[in-house]
Amino acid sequence: GDSVTQMEGPVTLSEEAFLTINCTYTATGYPSLFWYVQYPGEGLQLLLKATKADDKGSNKGFEATYRKETTSFHLEKGSVQVSDSAVYFCALRSNLFGNEKLTFGTGTRLTIIP
Amino acid sequence: DTEVTQTPKHLVMGMTNKKSLKCEQHMGHRAMYWYKQKAKKPPELMFVYSYEKLSINESVPSRFSPECPNSSLLNLHLHALQPEDSALYLCASSQDQATYGYTFGSGTRLTVV
Repeated sequence: GDSVTQMEGPVTLSEEAFLTINCTYTATGYPSLFWYVQYPGEGLQLLLKATKADDKGSNKGFEATYRKETTSFHLEKGSVQVSDSAVYFCALRSNLFGNEKLTFGTGTRLTIIP
Repeated sequence: DTEVTQTPKHLVMGMTNKKSLKCEQHMGHRAMYWYKQKAKKPPELMFVYSYEKLSINESVPSRFSPECPNSSLLNLHLHALQPEDSALYLCASSQDQATYGYTFGSGTRLTVV
């Protein structure tokens, strides 16, 4: 079945540091890939997405590239801020009919210190 | 309107109570979902409604009863819950195509006492 593997957290960085959160996936067909962010006490917000190989999703300074050859979708940001502290979930959605559920990774808790 | 609205935001209920969680969206999405999220865990899928029909029940105990009165509304009826059912309950909606992500509500924080 489909699965998503994220790097273990928690991750603690200083403000303005470079961020990478690794995400790899296993899926049949050609899934769409997503990053969601969850701030404390809130629901999940879609951060960015990519729907086919070599697509790059970007939003709020975050980027991720759909790499089919390595089955990866790593999240990056060049200079993090304290306000980026949150839990980040990598997810995939299969394109196979009847199996369009969103499959989540375990989440990576990110803390940015001033 | 690009939001999923969930009410109430917080709910405390006893194990003999009956309560309902409500979810509403006006984006024309035809798929709606209930998720349960425990602390420091990813959301776990409970139910999927597609075109107002229940399409997936992830073996959820019968003390949770979903209902989809129309294409904009989704309810989750709760009865005889256990303390371990305390969690954040998230509603989401989506277009019925894999290239679309889900839009999540902000959730209902449920505490069972």
